[in-house]
Amino acid sequence: EDKVVQSPLSLVVHEGDTVTLNCSYEVTNFRSLLWYKQEKKAPTFLFMLTSSGIEKKSGRLSSILDKKELFSILNITATQTGDSAVYLCAAPAGGTSYGKLTFGQGTILTVHP
Amino acid sequence: EAGVAQSPRYKIIEKRQSVAFWCNPISGHATLYWYQQILGQGPKLLIQFQNNGVVDDSQLPKDRFSAERLKGVDSTLKIQPAKLEDSAVYLCASSLVGRGYTEAFFGQGTRLTVV
Repeated sequence: EDKVVQSPLSLVVHEGDTVTLNCSYEVTNFRSLLWYKQEKKAPTFLFMLTSSGIEKKSGRLSSILDKKELFSILNITATQTGDSAVYLCAAPAGGTSYGKLTFGQGTILTVHP
Repeated sequence: EAGVAQSPRYKIIEKRQSVAFWCNPISGHATLYWYQQILGQGPKLLIQFQNNGVVDDSQLPKDRFSAERLKGVDSTLKIQPAKLEDSAVYLCASSLVGRGYTEAFFGQGTRLTVV
């Protein structure tokens, strides 16, 4: 059974801090790893990572994948209160179906002013 | 472009009652998913449809949960009878069908509380 584990489970920082969120995985026929941001209820897509060592970047967020050690990190620099959310990582199922996602339990990030 | 629509947004029921949730995916998205997210956990897939056929329902508790997607568009998820442990957010998502990964777009979810 595919497994995705995130750490830490929660994190409290102040605006301007830099945070690193961790995601480790054990997935049969691994193809990619996804990061989502969940505010209120709907997860919104952040990144998809398929290759080791290639950083994906979007503004203050960046992410990288290590396929040898089976983990990914999500970095957020100069955090803002609007970054407060649950951050989820997920791996699509192998085989012919990409759609089924196995999610980690999420990291709750709280950014104080 | 309209997103994934779900209703109701919130529902409170007593245990042993039945409840139904509705989802309207993004137009043209052949694949539809129902996920259950219990508080403090990541979403867990309950069922995946492609058009009106079931692709994966291995984690659907079939003794009490049922889902259908008539005509390959809208979908309903039903729980009958509900248990306290069914309290969760039920998320619907949809995606295009492609040879590789195609992004799944999530609806706002329905928060179910069973008392």
